[in-house]
Amino acid sequence: TQLLEQSPQFLSIQEGENLTVYCNSSSVFSSLQWYRQEPGEGPVLLVTVVTGGEVKKLKRLTFQFGDARKDSSLHITAAQPGDTGLYLCAGVAPRSNYQLIWGAGTKLIIKP
Amino acid sequence: DADVTQTPRNRITKTGKRIMLECSQTKGHDRMYWYRQDPGLGLRLIYYSFDVKDINKGEISDGYSVSRQAQAKFSLSLESAIPNQTALYFCATSDFNGGGFTGELFFGEGSRLTVL
Repeated sequence: TQLLEQSPQFLSIQEGENLTVYCNSSSVFSSLQWYRQEPGEGPVLLVTVVTGGEVKKLKRLTFQFGDARKDSSLHITAAQPGDTGLYLCAGVAPRSNYQLIWGAGTKLIIKP
Repeated sequence: DADVTQTPRNRITKTGKRIMLECSQTKGHDRMYWYRQDPGLGLRLIYYSFDVKDINKGEISDGYSVSRQAQAKFSLSLESAIPNQTALYFCATSDFNGGGFTGELFFGEGSRLTVL
């Protein structure tokens, strides 16, 4: 069974600080997605990384896929209160056309 | 209007009652999913459907059933609700990109179910 360990589970920091969220597995994934979920809403896709070592930037958010495609990280620079939410990673199992393996999520609170 | 609409948004019911959660989408996607979200457990797949004639069990299908009435409609039923089915339920859709790549999931706003 493929598992995706996400850490930390909860993070509360002050506006302007930097942070990193990690998604780790012992298994290889074809690709990995990051979603953000706000209260009362469903998750919304932020980014998909496909190639080992790939780095993608979305404004102050930087996403990296590990070289071996077993792990990924999300780094936020100068966090803003608007970044508050639940961040979820989801890996696509190889040779699967449907199966997403989900991390448990990181609840992020950015205090003004 | 939302592309993926779930009804009801909130429901409180009693143990043993039959409950149906409905999902409709305007994205034109063939693939539809039902997920359950519990704090600290992430999203767990209950059922998924690749088209109207294709229904598949997910990792936690026991106690649930589904019906794909049309390409745009996918409903989830709890035949006899129990308290540990209290959770936030999400419907999602996706397009098929081929090559083993799932593609983006588009979620509804969720249905919060409480079973007393």
